[in-house]
Amino acid sequence: DVKVTQSSRYLVKRTGEKVFLECVQDMDHENMFWYRQDPGLGLRLIYFSYDVKMKEKGDIPEGYSVSREKKERFSLILESASTNQTSMYLCASSHSVRVAEAFFGQGTRLTVV
Amino acid sequence: EDKVVQSPLSLVVHEGDTVTLNCSYEVTNFRSLLWYKQEKKAPTFLFMLTSSGIEKKSGRLSSILDKKELFSILNITATQTGDSAIYLCAVELSGYALNFGKGTSLLVTP
Repeated sequence: DVKVTQSSRYLVKRTGEKVFLECVQDMDHENMFWYRQDPGLGLRLIYFSYDVKMKEKGDIPEGYSVSREKKERFSLILESASTNQTSMYLCASSHSVRVAEAFFGQGTRLTVV
Repeated sequence: EDKVVQSPLSLVVHEGDTVTLNCSYEVTNFRSLLWYKQEKKAPTFLFMLTSSGIEKKSGRLSSILDKKELFSILNITATQTGDSAIYLCAVELSGYALNFGKGTSLLVTP
């Protein structure tokens, strides 16, 4: 079974803190994604990566950055957390051939106070 | 602008009912349409549809795509309380990313 693991289920951070959300997949997938999910807005793509050290902006990259130093790990960084970044963050991965069949992690509920 | 619209946004049915969830899209460079089920946290993959008129089926769930009218439906027959979830529709665009709709929240009551 494909496993996508996010390092934290729940996080509470203060405004202005630098926040790291980690995601690891164990199926040698080339593609990795970070989404945020908000009520009434659905899933929105923040960043994705199709190879090590490669990254592409999604629909809402402002206030975020990412890092992919190893194939299995994709990190989302909030440089200076703000209250409007309180959300559910979902990581996903997919194979380079079956791009659309994405496997999701359990999500990280981030609250910025 | 690419758009994926799901309807209804929420639905409450009784166990045993049949439900139909809708997904319409306006996108350029369409490649496939996908359905996911999200029960607690992680969305799980249900179906991927690429061709019009070919029904995909898994147990009580089935789905079909109409590429001429730009929509898909997800049917659930003989619903059970375990079908309660958010159902997400997504369109794969050329490239790597999925464009998601806002989801339909389904509640099946005993």
